[in-house]
Amino acid sequence: GEDVEQSLFLSVREGDSSVINCTYTDSSSTYLYWYKQEPGAGLQLLTYIFSNMDMKQDQRLTVLLNKKDKHLSLRIADTQTGDSAIYFCAEGVTGGGNKLTFGTGTQLKVEL
Amino acid sequence: DSGVTQTPKHLITATGQRVTLRCSPRSGDLSVYWYQQSLDQGLQFLIQYYNGEERAKGNILERFSAQQFPDLHSELNLSSLELGDSALYFCASSITSGSTDTQYFGPGTRLTVL
Repeated sequence: GEDVEQSLFLSVREGDSSVINCTYTDSSSTYLYWYKQEPGAGLQLLTYIFSNMDMKQDQRLTVLLNKKDKHLSLRIADTQTGDSAIYFCAEGVTGGGNKLTFGTGTQLKVEL
Repeated sequence: DSGVTQTPKHLITATGQRVTLRCSPRSGDLSVYWYQQSLDQGLQFLIQYYNGEERAKGNILERFSAQQFPDLHSELNLSSLELGDSALYFCASSITSGSTDTQYFGPGTRLTVL
């Protein structure tokens, strides 16, 4: 079955790095995604990683995937107040369609 | 802006009523997905359509139904509404229905059932 877990809350100081963690259970995941949701807004795709990759870097964002432990992380370098939002990891699972299973979301608070 | 549009933005209705949520996918996308975001259930996949045909079904109640029209827009119909149906309903679209296709989300429709 599919289950995606995240810690609920993370607080960092502006300029520090943030690391948001996620664990998933379905080994048939093809892509793993990170989405950002700002208050009152929709889901913005931040980045994604194919399940046979270990790392992907995209400007301030670094995604690390440990497939053996089914652990995914998102590192945001030089975190800014505009990064305050809820971050969702999601796994895309093969087998009938292309549904995404989302984690519970991690609320990132960036303090001055 | 993802290119996915949803209407209306907000909807307030009473228990027992029926509502229709509308979604227009990004230009060129053939797949449409519906998700529900609520406080107690989180973000849950409801249903997927690809080029007019139902492709995958998730935790969608029998009181809910959806369809995708020839112009590829989709509607989610919610009937016999209950207080617990209050949620944010997202539509997403992707080019095809493949498992490697990235889904782009619309801004959502916030449904409040009183």
